[in-house]
Amino acid sequence: SQKIEQNSEALNIQEGKTATLTCNYTNYSPAYLQWYRQDPGRGPVFLLLIRENEKEKRKERLKVTFDTTLKQSLFHITASQPADSATYLCAPPPLKTSYDKVIFGPGTSLSVIP
Amino acid sequence: EPEVTQTPSHQVTQMGQEVILRCVPISNHLYFYWYRQILGQKVEFLVSFYNNEISEKSEIFDDQFSVERPDGSNFTLKIRSTKLEDSAMYFCASSEGSTNHFGPGTRLTVT
Repeated sequence: SQKIEQNSEALNIQEGKTATLTCNYTNYSPAYLQWYRQDPGRGPVFLLLIRENEKEKRKERLKVTFDTTLKQSLFHITASQPADSATYLCAPPPLKTSYDKVIFGPGTSLSVIP
Repeated sequence: EPEVTQTPSHQVTQMGQEVILRCVPISNHLYFYWYRQILGQKVEFLVSFYNNEISEKSEIFDDQFSVERPDGSNFTLKIRSTKLEDSAMYFCASSEGSTNHFGPGTRLTVT
């Protein structure tokens, strides 16, 4: 079955630095990957989707890369701020149709220290 | 920007009681979902709904659970005979394609 791993359960960085989160997947080749943010007690919020034919995608201070050879996606937050503190979830599509459920990885809890 | 809404925000019920969690998906979306998140654990898929029927359900979604779209706007999750282990955040989501848009969740507490 498809497996999703994120690099660590928790990541602490200093304000102003770049945070880099890793998502590795095994047992299949997704056509795209999604990244979501979840704050405590709240629902996941969609951030970015990157397709297999896109090497990189940006949105304001966020950047996502997708390496289909390494089966890995990297999620970067540049000039990090305490407000970026949250859990970030990697989500490849399920094995079936693209309009199906989202399968979340375990998430990485990011803490940006002032 | 349109949002998914959920009511109530918090529901407390006694073990064995039935609860109905309500959701209003984004109006032009065609695919609807329920997810669950037990405290400290990851968000888990429960069920997807399309064209007025269940398109997929997880092994968590047993006979205790049912979903319904009673009218053109609401999407409900019914849990019959609740158990202590049903205590969790329940998120509704809707989609017009690949991206799921999540609601704020209902915190269900079974005592």
